[in-house]
Amino acid sequence: DAGVTQSPTHLIKTRGQQVTLRCSPKSGHDTVSWYQQALGQGPQFIFQYYEEEERQRGNFPDRFSGHQFPNYSSELNVNALLLGDSALYLCASSSLHGWSDRHSYEQYFGPGTRLTVT
Amino acid sequence: LAKTTQPISMDSYEGQEVNITCSHNNIATNDYITWYQQFPSQGPRFIIQGYKTKVTNEVASLFIPADRKSSTLSLPRVSLSDTAVYYCLVGRNTNAGKSTFGDGTTLTVKP
Repeated sequence: DAGVTQSPTHLIKTRGQQVTLRCSPKSGHDTVSWYQQALGQGPQFIFQYYEEEERQRGNFPDRFSGHQFPNYSSELNVNALLLGDSALYLCASSSLHGWSDRHSYEQYFGPGTRLTVT
Repeated sequence: LAKTTQPISMDSYEGQEVNITCSHNNIATNDYITWYQQFPSQGPRFIIQGYKTKVTNEVASLFIPADRKSSTLSLPRVSLSDTAVYYCLVGRNTNAGKSTFGDGTTLTVKP
């Protein structure tokens, strides 16, 4: 049973470019959340996707957008990259299907994508 | 935001029990208390979750007092491989956007 997978592992982009990161959730999970983790800090919530819709959003600008596909996988897109977007981007999967899932806070994280903006 | 407060760092020695306390004064009625462990350049790993009283699994114990305004993660007999950052979160999957990881507690286990 594969856990959460993310691609690519590392990425180097130039300021102003656009980037797409990908995530496949753990088998049986229907919800994907994205986090940004700067060096030395805790993960910051970007947004959460469930049933192919953005359900919750953190304090991130519209340059950050996402998508969830029918197979529950997800993409994170960042436009007009800034130097400050350099970080580890984490994908976490969970389930909102059942009552116990909705009233839990157990998430499974992927290994992350290290994005460097130069 | 559901804010939590943890010590920035803790040191311990192999074989000792480690207790990390987290304060969460504004925890909501339906919020769970969840702890994660993170090694460098890896995603956080779920350790344990609880709502009230005591929860124990094969890795750790979680103690939650009746007022739920704090919680204590207990790691029995730590080893060098337990050196990591530990995060306390309060919330649930349906309001994940209202919770924050904070900066966590860096635990260093020495030989």
